[in-house]
Amino acid sequence: DTGVSQDPRHKITKRGQNVTFRCDPISEHNRLYWYRQTLGQGPEFLTYFQNEAQLEKSRLLSDRFSAERPKGSFSTLEIQRTEQGDSAMYLCASSPRGFDEQYFGPGTRLTVT
Amino acid sequence: DQQVKQNSPSLSVQEGRISILNCDYTNSMFDYFLWYKKYPAEGPTFLISISSIKDKNEDGRFTVFLNKSAKHLSLHIVPSQPGDSAVYFCAASARGTYKYIFGTGTRLKVLA
Repeated sequence: DTGVSQDPRHKITKRGQNVTFRCDPISEHNRLYWYRQTLGQGPEFLTYFQNEAQLEKSRLLSDRFSAERPKGSFSTLEIQRTEQGDSAMYLCASSPRGFDEQYFGPGTRLTVT
Repeated sequence: DQQVKQNSPSLSVQEGRISILNCDYTNSMFDYFLWYKKYPAEGPTFLISISSIKDKNEDGRFTVFLNKSAKHLSLHIVPSQPGDSAVYFCAASARGTYKYIFGTGTRLKVLA
């Protein structure tokens, strides 16, 4: 199965530490999204890429968050100086060219202690 | 400001009956809508979509209806099956952007 994969699936870190998550989209999907989901809420848009270009970034994203998609393939999401409020499920999704449907990965659950 | 609202956090339906999940939106610029289903410990799975040029789209047991004047859409599942038990999210985007706004979800439980 060549669905969207995310690594790690779970991450526990201490407040103040930096964390990095990786997302591998479905091959040849040109758009890649990052979302954050907390309990009882829907996925909250963070940012998206079209190929390697980051086209939109949520105003909710503080300067501690950064995402990259070098060469338009996999993507990384880094959170610097983590805070307890960053604890959430981080979801990645990808879309093929010309289609709006997004295919989601299983997510990375972050717990900040 | 919640631009996409799913006001029913949960719904229980008997197997074989119709399930109707509702979604309201406030942004008149939204012109494309999707429904997703989510099982525990998995990412959301795409179900069905509709653009604003249509008022209905059907795919097997799933039908989505769009009422633009009321800024309301609904997902009908008929007949409902126990395997449909999941959390359902609606999402919307405006023309010219691929940024999707999700609702808070409705947990559907189909009783055998």
